[in-house]
Amino acid sequence: DAKTTQPPSMDCAEGRAANLPCNHSTISGNEYVYWYRQIHSQGPQYIIHGLKNNETNEMASLIITEDRKSSTLILPHATLRDTAVYYCIVRVTGYSTLTFGKGTMLLVSP
Amino acid sequence: KAGVTQTPRYLIKTRGQQVTLSCSPISGHRSVSWYQQTPGQGLQFLFEYFSETQRNKGNFPGRFSGRQFSNSRSEMNVSTLELGDSALYLCASSLVAGGLLNEQFFGPGTRLTVL
Repeated sequence: DAKTTQPPSMDCAEGRAANLPCNHSTISGNEYVYWYRQIHSQGPQYIIHGLKNNETNEMASLIITEDRKSSTLILPHATLRDTAVYYCIVRVTGYSTLTFGKGTMLLVSP
Repeated sequence: KAGVTQTPRYLIKTRGQQVTLSCSPISGHRSVSWYQQTPGQGLQFLFEYFSETQRNKGNFPGRFSGRQFSNSRSEMNVSTLELGDSALYLCASSLVAGGLLNEQFFGPGTRLTVL
């Protein structure tokens, strides 16, 4: 699986948009970009995934650059409950295994 | 529908003992994966089961083993416990194994402490 690079931490004010970047410059054509988050002491939670088009669901939006070498997860109106570690994962299709990096610790403050 | 359940939630053992952890996947899900999470190593893949067969295995010693039953429930076993086995053990279920759009749903984990 392609390696991902994320900033170790980010801050965001409550109510503002949180934009979490991820670099995956060695991504190959059959690899999807997945985002999970882990709130303290809980299991990771699936957020969103995409291949090359931008995706949106009730939790977040995923913007993937045209060359697919990077992506951004957007939480449009961050709340205190969005404080968590966010993991960007690039996964080979056909396998279920997730390879987690260190992720980004997002702290949402009042 | 009910999520992934793991039992027990907390466990304390001593070195040399063995432990069995249980995972019940979401109803209808047939694939179960196990992960170990420690502060030093982060989240690491242990193994994946589908239809009672191990499909993938991570880089862990043979002391770590697992199995899956016909109802998709899974257990993992760690024998001859070491201090370094203290971790949060997470189970994840998915509808199928290796599917193209196959997101995994995680349970709350079992916190194992080895003294």
